[in-house]
Amino acid sequence: DSGVTQTPKHLITATGQRVTLRCSPRSGDLSVYWYQQSLDQGLQFLIQYYNGEERAKGNILERFSAQQFPDLHSELNLSSLELGDSALYFCASSVFSGTGGANYGYTFGSGTRLTVV
Amino acid sequence: GENVEQHPSTLSVQEGDSAVIKCTYSDSASNYFPWYKQELGKRPQLIIDIRSNVGEKKDQRIAVTLNKTAKHFSLHITETQPEDSAVYFCAASKKYGNKLVFGAGTILRVKS
Repeated sequence: DSGVTQTPKHLITATGQRVTLRCSPRSGDLSVYWYQQSLDQGLQFLIQYYNGEERAKGNILERFSAQQFPDLHSELNLSSLELGDSALYFCASSVFSGTGGANYGYTFGSGTRLTVV
Repeated sequence: GENVEQHPSTLSVQEGDSAVIKCTYSDSASNYFPWYKQELGKRPQLIIDIRSNVGEKKDQRIAVTLNKTAKHFSLHITETQPEDSAVYFCAASKKYGNKLVFGAGTILRVKS
């Protein structure tokens, strides 16, 4: 157990639908990152939150949105789903001061496998 | 923006041989370089990392080297074992930013 919890583990849904993926970071970590990994693809950065605020944005589609709540858990919302959105969605957390200091590696959750049919 | 290139995309070695995976980064401000191992269907796991003030770091059979001038870093695995078979990702991030940019990954197959 990495300490980063993602739910659900698997999700099958139809095109056009909307889903919410949930992530609880490791205790003490303030930063949450979302990554998408399609079949045989690398890890594509979607978005980062730090202590409730959006910190960095990657190649995240307008149909996707995310937020981080006061208890630091994060949700990734995917709407108007298309077949191409089928992928593994990973959440990761890290210790990040936000104002300087050293960077640290991420701890990844086990991922949510989304299948759009 | 930051870009990380990783080579080779696939690597097959005989058990007991060494494996080397190379990455090049584009942003000279990057100062943190982790490596992750991902087994099929599982989460990426940090196996070793290096910071820009260090040229080499070793942990048992795994080592990472960094050449800041060339903006190049490499993962070295010695005495490979079948359980080393996995996808390996390099990554880079800048100080303060902490967003990791990943390479495309290398599929390592260790043949017994």
